[in-house]
Amino acid sequence: NAGVTQTPKFRVLKTGQSMTLLCAQDMNHEYMYWYRQDPGMGLRLIHYSVGEGTTAKGEVPDGYNVSRLKKQNFLLGLESAAPSQTSVYFCASSQGGNNSPLHFGNGTRLTVT
Amino acid sequence: DQQVKQNSPSLSVQEGRISILNCDYTNSMFDYFLWYKKYPAEGPTFLISISSIKDKNEDGRFTVFLNKSAKHLSLHIVPSQPGDSAVYFCAAFQGGSEKLVFGKGTKLTVNP
Repeated sequence: NAGVTQTPKFRVLKTGQSMTLLCAQDMNHEYMYWYRQDPGMGLRLIHYSVGEGTTAKGEVPDGYNVSRLKKQNFLLGLESAAPSQTSVYFCASSQGGNNSPLHFGNGTRLTVT
Repeated sequence: DQQVKQNSPSLSVQEGRISILNCDYTNSMFDYFLWYKKYPAEGPTFLISISSIKDKNEDGRFTVFLNKSAKHLSLHIVPSQPGDSAVYFCAAFQGGSEKLVFGKGTKLTVNP
């Protein structure tokens, strides 16, 4: 039981390049989330999904897009990376409803130069 | 506007003593609170939670206290162990919302 798996673990991009961060969960969870963690800022919600085929904006959605084509996968895309998107990105999932705790992956460290 | 505030960026305690981590919130609609623990290069892991209808929840060495009137909660770790050294995040759900809001975290160091 792997839980929440994020790929890649590390990535360096040049400004303007694009990439997709992959998140997979094997817990049959309905809800999935993307957060970013920056020094002194805590965890901020980028986008989330409450089920296959649905997505919604979080606190800091600008510059990112997401897709939830399959229940177990949640993709985070950067169409044109900017240095301000240098961060550690965490994916999480939960059963949803009744204040279910989120289960997190181990993160993707992204540097945009 | 930070809705969940952890005003102490760091805390240092001796092994065996009590660690008290504090959290304040501004949104009176929050009705469920969680604490997460995070080691370097790992994702946050769920530690303990409390519903707004309770004022205390205990799990082994970890106890969370909630003071609704003061919009304040705290995490007590007794006794503290070196393995407890980590960043602790306070988080809150608003009733009916799917979104979990986090504080900025407090780095706890437990010295042997």
